[in-house]
Amino acid sequence: DQQVKQNSPSLSVQEGRISILNCDYTNSMFDYFLWYKKYPAEGPTFLISISSIKDKNEDGRFTVFLNKSAKHLSLHIVPSQPGDSAVYFCAASGPGTYKYIFGTGTRLKVLA
Amino acid sequence: NAGVTQTPKFQVLKTGQSMTLQCAQDMNHEYMSWYRQDPGMGLRLIHYSVGAGITDQGEVPNGYNVSRSTTEDFPLRLLSAAPSQTSVYFCATGGGIRNSPLHFGNGTRLTVT
Repeated sequence: DQQVKQNSPSLSVQEGRISILNCDYTNSMFDYFLWYKKYPAEGPTFLISISSIKDKNEDGRFTVFLNKSAKHLSLHIVPSQPGDSAVYFCAASGPGTYKYIFGTGTRLKVLA
Repeated sequence: NAGVTQTPKFQVLKTGQSMTLQCAQDMNHEYMSWYRQDPGMGLRLIHYSVGAGITDQGEVPNGYNVSRSTTEDFPLRLLSAAPSQTSVYFCATGGGIRNSPLHFGNGTRLTVT
């Protein structure tokens, strides 16, 4: 039972345009959501997070949107840069738990 | 400040052999965890610990043992390796305070033949 789903295994975007990565979850108890970026042969690095009390969080070129009614979050990268090419994972956790459940990842390729 | 250090970086085992993947953190975090990454499966939680002497199972604990005798170290043991345990293993720390991110090591790539 995949509680966190990233239905697009890959995405290609032109440099300078917007990248939109999507994530869906099934557990309505999740209240904290994160995005990680992973380069080959490295560990995942934290990018941005959002609590369920918010519907948007921005950090520079990165914005995460949360739609609780749809159980959907998205990561927007504007403008996209070639260095953003990586695998992006979304993750979620619920109250009273230290377990972070990850999605399967989306490979983003930013074309120069 | 190294953060999370995993050793070894690469390992090849024969079926039935045992080994320990090491993880050490210098961030003074109470929470530590082990994930495995497989193609098309994302990152799956194996075991986690909320402090020295306390461990619990994650999503895929079978075939793995852990112990936590100090805050800094959280080794992952494979008692009898199987080809299904071929994977990339990541140790992570943090997350013990509500709404805080995990910090990952650079992984151990394990191949079981």
